[in-house]
Amino acid sequence: GAGVSQSPRYKVAKRGQDVALRCDPISGHVSLFWYQQALGQGPEFLTYFQNEAQLDKSGLPSDRFFAERPEGSVSTLKIQRTQQEDSAVYLCASRFGTGSSYEQYFGPGTRLTVT
Amino acid sequence: AQSVTQLDSQVPVFEEAPVELRCNYSSSVSVYLFWYVQYPNQGLQLLLKYLSGSTLVESINGFEAEFNKSQTSFHLRKPSVHISDTAEYFCAVSGSGGATNKLIFGTGTLLAVQP
Repeated sequence: GAGVSQSPRYKVAKRGQDVALRCDPISGHVSLFWYQQALGQGPEFLTYFQNEAQLDKSGLPSDRFFAERPEGSVSTLKIQRTQQEDSAVYLCASRFGTGSSYEQYFGPGTRLTVT
Repeated sequence: AQSVTQLDSQVPVFEEAPVELRCNYSSSVSVYLFWYVQYPNQGLQLLLKYLSGSTLVESINGFEAEFNKSQTSFHLRKPSVHISDTAEYFCAVSGSGGATNKLIFGTGTLLAVQP
């Protein structure tokens, strides 16, 4: 079956532009996570959805970051007025259940470069 | 709060030699522990996990990790590495309860296997 897919795979944005990153999770997966991976670092948590409900957005670095999952499936991470420090790989992961014993399946990521 | 430390950013090793990648964690609650692998130009894949029970867990490709509660460690070992094991390895921790159970990652260790 299909895994987690993300689009676009690469995005170059000029400073100040808005970007939207898409995540298609594995069908039927209840949980969806967004992580940010800066160069040379491990992924860092941004936000978590259980179905369409955003239960945790404690990792979003500023109010320029916004995520949604309106129908409990596809999710979009939006970054407004991009800054150079936003340059990173953005990873999406989905999980079948709500408990942490379930495996998180990661997408290939979207590499965002802000110039 | 939880945290993960991977002290070795890079581990060079010759093919067929043994290797150990170190991981230490900090947490005030019970945790689950994971090792993820990221091959070049690919997404994160779960290598192995410790949830409960036997403290020694194994992967299908010969890696093993041992959970040591007293030393708060979860080191990854392989008795004989192959060129194809060259990848970035991330140790991660997750709370065993709670609403989100996000993964907290270390900064990663690049395993560079040389012929």
